[in-house]
This record gives sequence, C-alpha cells and structure tokens, in this order.
Amino acid sequence: DTEVTQTPKHLVMGMTNKKSLKCEQHMGHRAMYWYKQKAKKPPELMFVYSYEKLSINESVPSRFSPECPNSSLLNLHLHALQPEDSALYLCASSLLPGQGLNTEAFFGQGTRLTVV
Amino acid sequence: KQEVTQIPAALSVPEGENLVLNCSFTDSAIYNLQWFRQDPGKGLTSLLLIQSSQREQTSGRLNASLDKSSGRSTLYIAASQPGDSATYLCAVGGGSEKLVFGKGTKLTVNP
Repeated sequence: DTEVTQTPKHLVMGMTNKKSLKCEQHMGHRAMYWYKQKAKKPPELMFVYSYEKLSINESVPSRFSPECPNSSLLNLHLHALQPEDSALYLCASSLLPGQGLNTEAFFGQGTRLTVV
Repeated sequence: KQEVTQIPAALSVPEGENLVLNCSFTDSAIYNLQWFRQDPGKGLTSLLLIQSSQREQTSGRLNASLDKSSGRSTLYIAASQPGDSATYLCAVGGGSEKLVFGKGTKLTVNP
C-alpha cells in the first residue's frame, strides 16, 4: 500500500470559517509534509513533521496550523484565510533517511481549497 | 540554495516518439532525485527515485539518469502514448526532509 489519503477533495470556505484538512498514510513513514500548489506552479513546502514533531515551518502565516496527532495522521487547521490562500493543498509522506535508504516521497491527491 | 531547472517548459510530440525531459540542479550535494507526474488538478504520482549513488533507474517505458557531477538528470520516455500527457516534475532531495522542485515540463502526446 503506497497510498496517501487526503480529505476532503474539495473545500469552499468563507474568510471567517474554521476548517481542517486531513491526511493519512499507513506505510510506516515517519516524515509527513504539507505543500501548497498554485495553478501552473510547482508545489511549495509549508511544513514537515519528523517523528510527529514539527521540524520545518517555511514561514507560513499562523492562520495555517499543522498538527500530527500520531504517526499515521496529519492535519492542517485553517482559520481566517484570505482569497489568495485558494490553492491545491498536498500532503506527502516518506521514510526518513534514518529509517532506510529509499526516501521516496508519496503524495496524496490533494484538497482543492477555495476561499470566498 | 538549491535551484532546479526543467527544460523545456512544454513539449508536444506525436504518438510513438521517444522523448527526453531535462532537469538540472545547482548544488551537486544531493541525497536523491525524484521524478513525478501530475495530471491537471490532481496530486503527484511518483515515477522514479534515483539515489545519489546511482546512475539510472528504469520502470517500464521510463528511464531516468543522474549525473551528479554535472548537476543533470534526464527522464527518457520510450514509445510515447496519449496517456503520457501530463506535467512532469523533477525534485531534488538534499538529505534533510526538503524536496526542491523544478517548475515542470508540460508534455502533450498527440494521437
């Protein structure tokens, strides 16, 4: 099983709403990632969790709040977003270099977020 | 700071052609390099991972090569099919958890 599952697939939210994106993997990967992708651009790294601890925050605004409740789950909590935050949000996972040589990253199908 | 460049930005070929996509990177101290494909509005599908100690990897009609010293990788697609139409992304891993992506090559294979 090389699947990373993201829910929901689509989300429309107002600027005063609070919502959460969810990501799940069962490959034993201890690195999990959130990326943001705007149209016709490559993915941009937002956050990395290593062994359930936040290891990288790419200076993301605090209206995005990540959470890693266990080794299989990753959440992204959204609050007071702006229309320019509309994008495809991608979750990924991989082994860490200390877990093995093959650190191939696997991505989910993404959540298409629209902020109105 | 690692920078990844993909050439060409777009490519249109007739079905059946063999083709090469190029990826170059500025810092040769890489841990691995990964090729992905992305269909419109979808997530990324991993195609091939090449470790820094490897020269090439093959999967079906795909062959990826890596030349660390020159900072280059190529993705060779044999006997292209319309179903190969997608954007192909190259990403370089530096040993931390970060992947640095190129901007991608949009491939169109015409029937």
